[in-house]
Amino acid sequence: QVQLVQFGAEVKKPGASVKVSCKSSGYTFTDYYIHWVRQAPGQGLEWMGWINPNSGYTHYGQRFQGRVTMTRDTSLSTTFLELSTLRSDDTAVYYCARGTRVSHYSSLFDPWGQGTLVTVSS
Amino acid sequence: QSALTQPASVSGSPGQSITISCTGSSSDVGDNNYVSWYQQHPGKAPKLMIFDVSNRPSGVSNRFSGSKSGNTASLTIFGLQAEDEGDYFCSSHTSDSRYVFGIGTKVTVL
Repeated sequence: QVQLVQFGAEVKKPGASVKVSCKSSGYTFTDYYIHWVRQAPGQGLEWMGWINPNSGYTHYGQRFQGRVTMTRDTSLSTTFLELSTLRSDDTAVYYCARGTRVSHYSSLFDPWGQGTLVTVSS
Repeated sequence: QSALTQPASVSGSPGQSITISCTGSSSDVGDNNYVSWYQQHPGKAPKLMIFDVSNRPSGVSNRFSGSKSGNTASLTIFGLQAEDEGDYFCSSHTSDSRYVFGIGTKVTVL
């Protein structure tokens, strides 16, 4: 079955960077967009951006421009999210989610990874 | 991009129907038919319930129904059940090829 697997948790100091991973299985990795969405404690969902695993092309949310980098390793069927210059309000669960087929338009994020908790604290 | 507006909470008794609204603008909800809805239980990842305004993924109960009029999308849950309790988020594709989520609605089954 289609699965997105995320590992563990991270604790970082303000100003540092974090890189989280998302491994896809059960489908052709390069056929579907991957999105990253975060959720601060007790808060709603915030879309961060998407990556086209086939081309590596990315499109980021405006408030993350300049601070976020999404990459992929097709040999590992894995997508990475790197967020730099961390602040305390970046503390959140970071989810990856599969989007629609590349070059198609739809609104679905399905399925989701289990999330990676990133805590930013001095 | 501002978050889409949803009511903070909606409640209903078992068997009743409830509707959650999701209001955006002509740059998102009103711009296209790419609105989706997600259910989230505490400590769990969100689950897709409706995509492209009114389509149900396989495995999702037909008690869930989506619609849209202008800049407002809606999710209706018919025959409310205890397992429907949780947080619900809408999402829309935007005119600049990004996505935006709603602020979330807590559904309580009385």
